[in-house]
Amino acid sequence: DSGVTQTPKHLITATGQRVTLRCSPRSGDLSVYWYQQSLDQGLQFLIQYYNGEERAKGNILERFSAQQFPDLHSELNLSSLELGDSALYFCASSVVERTEAFFGQGTRLTVV
Amino acid sequence: AQKITQTQPGMFVQEKEAVTLDCTYDTSDPSYGLFWYKQPSSGEMIFLIYQGSYDQQNATEGRYSLNFQKARKSANLVISASQLGDSAMYFCAMREDSGNTPLVFGKGTRLSVIA
Repeated sequence: DSGVTQTPKHLITATGQRVTLRCSPRSGDLSVYWYQQSLDQGLQFLIQYYNGEERAKGNILERFSAQQFPDLHSELNLSSLELGDSALYFCASSVVERTEAFFGQGTRLTVV
Repeated sequence: AQKITQTQPGMFVQEKEAVTLDCTYDTSDPSYGLFWYKQPSSGEMIFLIYQGSYDQQNATEGRYSLNFQKARKSANLVISASQLGDSAMYFCAMREDSGNTPLVFGKGTRLSVIA
């Protein structure tokens, strides 16, 4: 158990819908990262937060947004969902930005 | 430009044998970290080992060791005494220490351990 908790584990939703993925980092970790893993694209970095502030942005679509709350948990919002958004979404956390990141079990999103 | 290259899509190894998974990287940052993660079929990403660019010795963690050759920009993972439970996808990743750069992953190598 990495200590990073992601909910839900599985999510099935229809095209055009909006979903929220939740992540609780390990206790004491200030950095939270979101990654998308699809079969053809591998692990793609989406966005990073550090102590509530956005630190880095990757290939995150405008339909996607995220935030980190004062208690350090983070949410990834995906809207106007398309079939191609089906993927495994990971949250990871680290104490500070230069240390190893520990991953949650992921949320498997299926858009039908 | 791809910064992490894993050239072996799949590897087979006999149980109890050692195996090396290749990883090369590209960076102009003098300070960086290299990481290996394991992803079993259940899907979770498990951190295995870390090597800093200024570390003088190769990192080791139990049966895992990282063969770090800085001049060649390679960071190969060596798994000794392979076990059936080692069958998984293995990802090499790098983070540059300057700027707000995240972990960048390679495409992975699928390791299959044969009894």
